[in-house]
Amino acid sequence: GNSVTQMEGPVTLSEEAFLTINCTYTATGYPSLFWYVQYPGEGLQLLLKATKADDKGSNKGFEATYRKETTSFHLEKGSVQVSDSAVYFCALMDTGRRALTFGSGTRLQVQP
Amino acid sequence: KAGVTQTPRYLIKTRGQQVTLSCSPISGHRSVSWYQQTPGQGLQFLFEYFSETQRNKGNFPGRFSGRQFSNSRSEMNVSTLELGDSALYLCASSELGQAGDEQYFGPGTRLTVT
Repeated sequence: GNSVTQMEGPVTLSEEAFLTINCTYTATGYPSLFWYVQYPGEGLQLLLKATKADDKGSNKGFEATYRKETTSFHLEKGSVQVSDSAVYFCALMDTGRRALTFGSGTRLQVQP
Repeated sequence: KAGVTQTPRYLIKTRGQQVTLSCSPISGHRSVSWYQQTPGQGLQFLFEYFSETQRNKGNFPGRFSGRQFSNSRSEMNVSTLELGDSALYLCASSELGQAGDEQYFGPGTRLTVT
């Protein structure tokens, strides 16, 4: 079946540091890949997506590239802010099932 | 456009009772999905509805059920509540529910079973 593996957190960074959160997946076919963010007490917000190999999704300074050869979709940001502190979820949806499969989430803490 | 809304935001129920949660999707969105979020199991897919039909179902017992109305609003019901049903229940909507579609989530309903 489908699965998503994320690096365990928490990830603690100082403001303006470079961020990488690793995500790898297992799926049949060619899934679409997503990153969601969850702030305390809230639902999930879509951060970015990519629907085919080599696509790069980007939003609010965050980027991720769909790498089929390494089955990865790592999230990066060049300079994090305190307001980026949240839990980040990597997810996939395959063409047949129409259901998101999520990773376990990575908590990011950014210190001033 | 207004986002996905869920009611109520918080619920406290007793074991053995049943509960109904409501979700209103973004205007024009016809697909509604439900997810359960717990600290132990993470985010798990419950079911997906499109045009009043359940198209997909996750691996949950039959106590969990749902429906969708002609205006795309959806409800989910949990009967004979167990302590393990305590969770954040999230609803998501998308235009057509296709693989590449963006799913937009509501704020969730926090259910506590005592």
